[in-house]
Amino acid sequence: DQQVKQNSPSLSVQEGRISILNCDYTNSMFDYFLWYKKYPAEGPTFLISISSIKDKNEDGRFTVFLNKSAKHLSLHIVPSQPGDSAVYFCAASVDNAGNMLTFGGGTRLMVKP
Amino acid sequence: EAGVAQSPRYKIIEKRQSVAFWCNPISGHATLYWYQQILGQGPKLLIQFQNNGVVDDSQLPKDRFSAERLKGVDSTLKIQPAKLEDSAVYLCASSSPRDGVFFGPGTRLTVL
Repeated sequence: DQQVKQNSPSLSVQEGRISILNCDYTNSMFDYFLWYKKYPAEGPTFLISISSIKDKNEDGRFTVFLNKSAKHLSLHIVPSQPGDSAVYFCAASVDNAGNMLTFGGGTRLMVKP
Repeated sequence: EAGVAQSPRYKIIEKRQSVAFWCNPISGHATLYWYQQILGQGPKLLIQFQNNGVVDDSQLPKDRFSAERLKGVDSTLKIQPAKLEDSAVYLCASSSPRDGVFFGPGTRLTVL
């Protein structure tokens, strides 16, 4: 039973445009959500997070939106850059300490120059 | 600041053989995690340590997988005997309340 799902395995976007990556979850106990970025042959690196008490968190070009009633979150990257090309993982936890993160399957983003 | 170190980076073995992976977390991080990432999937938590104690190992296949964190610093993950379906990247991560979770580069295991 996949508790965190990323239904789009890949996404292709033109440089300068907006990238929108989506994530759905089923466990209503999840209280903290994170996005990780992964380049080949490297471990995932933390990008941005959001607590369930918020519906939006922004950090530079990256914004995460949370819709608790729909159990849906999304990551917006504006403007997209070729260096953003990577696999993006959505993750969820029952606390904000990083305990027992549950990851989605990932979305491969390709930003074309 | 040094990151999470893992070795080896790559390992190829035949099924039924044994293999061990090593992880050195970020200095001062009390919590250490081992994740398994099968190709095309997200990382799945195998075991979480707090210092040298196990917090959660509910998804660790204990008939063949074992992990230890003696002295609460370095950790090893062992598979004995390996199966074809164990082919994956094994990621170690460490965390502290102040820093958050940091991942190592992973060990890519191929079981033939």
